[in-house]
Amino acid sequence: SQELEQSPQSLIVQEGKNLTINCTSSKTLYGLYWYKQKYGEGLIFLMMLQKGGEEKSHEKITAKLDEKKQQSSLHITASQPSHAGIYLCGADIGSTNAGKSTFGDGTTLTVKP
Amino acid sequence: NAGVTQTPKFQVLKTGQSMTLQCAQDMNHEYMSWYRQDPGMGLRLIHYSVGAGITDQGEVPNGYNVSRSTTEDFPLRLLSAAPSQTSVYFCASSSSYTEQFFGPGTRLTVL
Repeated sequence: SQELEQSPQSLIVQEGKNLTINCTSSKTLYGLYWYKQKYGEGLIFLMMLQKGGEEKSHEKITAKLDEKKQQSSLHITASQPSHAGIYLCGADIGSTNAGKSTFGDGTTLTVKP
Repeated sequence: NAGVTQTPKFQVLKTGQSMTLQCAQDMNHEYMSWYRQDPGMGLRLIHYSVGAGITDQGEVPNGYNVSRSTTEDFPLRLLSAAPSQTSVYFCASSSSYTEQFFGPGTRLTVL
């Protein structure tokens, strides 16, 4: 989506290394979601951020929302092979959630043992 | 609680055939959506609904119809399948200020 850009498109890291994925909107964000997807499978919800400056963590994954920059980052600490997959950011752009979120094109993460 | 269910999981169609992808949710969510996922393109919104009897077009609605007669069900109809509609289709449901809950997907191939 051009309204929601993810970077990088793909990432290959050595097990144990940290990494960051970014998601940037060209318009005002009303909610930002991170999902993980294994190839050929459905989407697993990771985190939802709604307020500027909000930061949430789950196990070794931390997500932050910078409202001024209209950007969110997803940081994985000490990556493991189980972190491999496609990470998608989704956002409510222009209005609050009404089932019409916009999604980025995804970041494919490979973790080498 | 089954969450969001989709049927079928896999489908192969010939060009010109029609079919309906089924989606149901048991969480009493008011919002339901259909997305398609193509390689390297994330999820693109096809149609969405904010309640029973109310539907609207998303980013890529051409060639698809939807209806929402009940809160629980939101079927997606392909009127005359084309090879460009080969994709993975995801149905999702949500309430205000919650994340979208996704179904397992339907992998459609149009020959």
